[in-house]
Amino acid sequence: QVQLLQSGAEVKKPGASVKVSCKASGYMFTTYGISWVRQAPGQGLEWMGWISTYNGNTNYAQKFQGRVTMTTDTSTSTVYMELRSLRSDDTAIYYCATKVTTVEYWGQGTLVTVSS
Amino acid sequence: QPVLTQSSSASASLGSSVKLTCTLSSGHSSYIIAWHQQQPGKAPRYLMKLEGSGTYNKGSGIPDRFSGSSSGADRYLAISNLQSEDEADYYCETWDSNTQVFGGGTKLTVL
Repeated sequence: QVQLLQSGAEVKKPGASVKVSCKASGYMFTTYGISWVRQAPGQGLEWMGWISTYNGNTNYAQKFQGRVTMTTDTSTSTVYMELRSLRSDDTAIYYCATKVTTVEYWGQGTLVTVSS
Repeated sequence: QPVLTQSSSASASLGSSVKLTCTLSSGHSSYIIAWHQQQPGKAPRYLMKLEGSGTYNKGSGIPDRFSGSSSGADRYLAISNLQSEDEADYYCETWDSNTQVFGGGTKLTVL
């Protein structure tokens, strides 16, 4: 079955960077791209960007351009999301998600806390 | 880029039915959407894909109590025989050229 397994919670200081991983299994990794979505405390879902697991092409939301980098490692079926210059309002749960055929699957989420 | 509009909250009694609405912005009324459920403290869960024709395809294990329908730019999620576990946030989502858009979500309270 399709699974997306994310790395564990992180605590970072303002100005630092965080790198979250998302390991996929149960399907042909390079066939379907992966998106990153975040959710601040008590808020809705916010799309951050998408990466093609086939060729590494990316499409970032304008809000995160210049501050986010998504990469893919086909040897381990893992996608990474790095967010730099962290601020307190980056405190959120970060999810990876993929559409396999038409069904969307979500990772379990990674809590990133930004605090001095 | 499409915009999705949802009511912020809805409520209905245990055992009754409810219909949640997601409205696509002007010029995007033909778009396919997806509905997701997010129970408190959990990751979102895919419920279904819903086309403008009203055809929907549910994810594995989604109960028959959940159904979808469409009218013009409106996309609906209907839940019958409401259970306590249906109390959750419901998000609609669409996509365009590898860009995803989410509605603001509807918080459903089961009374």
